[in-house]
Amino acid sequence: ETGVTQSPTHLIKTRGQQVTLRCSSQSGHNTVSWYQQALGQGPQFIFQYYREEENGRGNFPPRFSGLQFPNYSSELNVNALELDDSALYLCASNGEGSGGVDTQYFGPGTRLTVL
Amino acid sequence: GENVEQHPSTLSVQEGDSAVIKCTYSDSASNYFPWYKQELGKRPQLIIDIRSNVGEKKDQRIAVTLNKTAKHFSLHITETQPEDSAVYFCAARKPSGSARQLTFGSGTQLTVLP
Repeated sequence: ETGVTQSPTHLIKTRGQQVTLRCSSQSGHNTVSWYQQALGQGPQFIFQYYREEENGRGNFPPRFSGLQFPNYSSELNVNALELDDSALYLCASNGEGSGGVDTQYFGPGTRLTVL
Repeated sequence: GENVEQHPSTLSVQEGDSAVIKCTYSDSASNYFPWYKQELGKRPQLIIDIRSNVGEKKDQRIAVTLNKTAKHFSLHITETQPEDSAVYFCAARKPSGSARQLTFGSGTQLTVLP
């Protein structure tokens, strides 16, 4: 298992609400990426944070926003939730050290259900 | 942007047989190609990766081959075991900019029949 952790494990929200998901990166990793994985599909890149700055963004609307803290942990915030936001949200960290700078290690994910 | 296609979407093999999963990518600038295994309800786990300066890489029963000219790469699993049953994802990454974002294929559900 990797050292990447996420909370909460599961979350149920209603349409229009806001949600915050959290990720702690593996020790020594300064880069965190967030992905959305819909049922039966591959993960889709949302955005990436490197040393507290957004470092790339996928094709997701502005109501998906994020933050990275000095300890490299990260948050994903989603406003005005829609039914289609129901998915597994994965964070992945990478950085210098084991596996090399390219290798992304995933957390266990947060399963978000929007009713 | 990058587009990764993965085939087949489902694959059933008998225990002990080999399994091959193929992916193609669209952007010739992509230079890093990892493969992840995801068991039901669990996180994707990296099983092997390859960089564009290498044509083949092997780790015990798992191997990956890369053909840069044709822009495709494949995962080979030999002597399959029931515990190999899972969804496998290929991915590709471009070096452009500094974001190391991965573009994933749609996954292959591998079932190894005992």
